[in-house]
Amino acid sequence: SQKIEQNSEALNIQEGKTATLTCNYTNYSPAYLQWYRQDPGRGPVFLLLIRENEKEKRKERLKVTFDTTLKQSLFHITASQPADSATYLCAPSGNTPLVFGKGTRLSVIA
Amino acid sequence: GAGVSQSPSNKVTEKGKDVELRCDPISGHTALYWYRQSLGQGLEFLIYFQGNSAPDKSGLPSDRFSAERTGGSVSTLTIQRTQQEDSAVYLCASSFAGTSGGASKNIQYFGAGTRLSVL
Repeated sequence: SQKIEQNSEALNIQEGKTATLTCNYTNYSPAYLQWYRQDPGRGPVFLLLIRENEKEKRKERLKVTFDTTLKQSLFHITASQPADSATYLCAPSGNTPLVFGKGTRLSVIA
Repeated sequence: GAGVSQSPSNKVTEKGKDVELRCDPISGHTALYWYRQSLGQGLEFLIYFQGNSAPDKSGLPSDRFSAERTGGSVSTLTIQRTQQEDSAVYLCASSFAGTSGGASKNIQYFGAGTRLSVL
């Protein structure tokens, strides 16, 4: 069955540093992969989408990579800020409903 | 409306009672999803509606759970004979075209969820 692993349940970093979150998947070949942010008491909010033929996608301080050989996506937040503290979810997808990883809870410490 | 609306925001019920949770998707979105999120856990897919196609019910955990989508818009998730393990946040999401519309049309917009507590 499809399996998604996000490398850490929780990640603490110092303000100004780059946060790197990992998403690994097995037993399927998604055509694209989405990243979402979830704050406590709220539903997830879409951040970025990367397709299988794209190596990298950027949006402001965010960068996503997608390696279909390693079956892995990396999500980077540069110059991190306390406001970036949230849970980040990855969702590899294709022609089936999105399956989400359990998420990584990021805490940026001032 | 401006976003996905879910009601009620909180629901407390007694074990054995039936509950109905409502979702109003974004106008024009043909796809609608229900998820369940238990405390500290990830999103568990429940059911997916796409246009007039038969819904994908593969995620429903038992026959006590059912959902319908009337007129291709509003959806109701019903849980019969609730159990304490049903306590969770139930999230609804909609997207423009679901899985058949390509990547950008399957970006999901979530409601704030309904927090269900079964005593």
